Amino acid sequence: DVKVTQSSRYLVKRTGEKVFLECVQDMDHENMFWYRQDPGLGLRLIYFSYDVKMKEKGDIPEGYSVSREKKERFSLILESASTNQTSMYLCASSLGGAGNEQFFGPGTRLTVL
Amino acid sequence: GQNIDQPTEMTATEGAIVQINCTYQTSGFNGLFWYQQHAGEAPTFLSYNVLDGLEEKGRFSSFLSRSKGYSYLLLKELQMKDSASYLCAVRSNYGGSQGNLIFGKGTKLSVKP
Repeated sequence: DVKVTQSSRYLVKRTGEKVFLECVQDMDHENMFWYRQDPGLGLRLIYFSYDVKMKEKGDIPEGYSVSREKKERFSLILESASTNQTSMYLCASSLGGAGNEQFFGPGTRLTVL
Repeated sequence: GQNIDQPTEMTATEGAIVQINCTYQTSGFNGLFWYQQHAGEAPTFLSYNVLDGLEEKGRFSSFLSRSKGYSYLLLKELQMKDSASYLCAVRSNYGGSQGNLIFGKGTKLSVKP
């Protein structure tokens, strides 16, 4: 079974703090993704990576950065958290190839006060 | 532009059949996915269509018409545990050779006894 794990299920931070969200997958997937999910807006892609040390911006990268130093790990960084970054953050991974589904982690519900 | 439309909410009765529609307009097309997401949980993969026609998988079937930009997910013999959100996602042409997923906002299905 593919397993995608995220470092925290719930996180509360203060405005201006630096926040790290970690994601690890154990199936040697090339591709990794970070999404946020908000009511009425659905899943939106923040950043993705198709290889180690490679990263590309998704649809809403402002205020975020990422790091992929190892194939199995993809980190999302909020340099200075703001209240509008309160959301559910979902990490996903997949094999390369158009027909391969993405496997999602359990999500981190981040609240920024 | 990129746009995926699906109904916001649907209600159906246990044992019945329900069809959840999805229409899309995207920059290119490399396949369509359906995911199921129970409240507070991660999305899980249900089906993938890349060619026109019907794909059947147990109680769930998914249909695709590329010329109409249309798909549906058919759920038969509904069970209470099918109460969840159903996400339609299209793989576009951007985001590397495989293309990224663009998600609809999801359809919340409530199954009543």
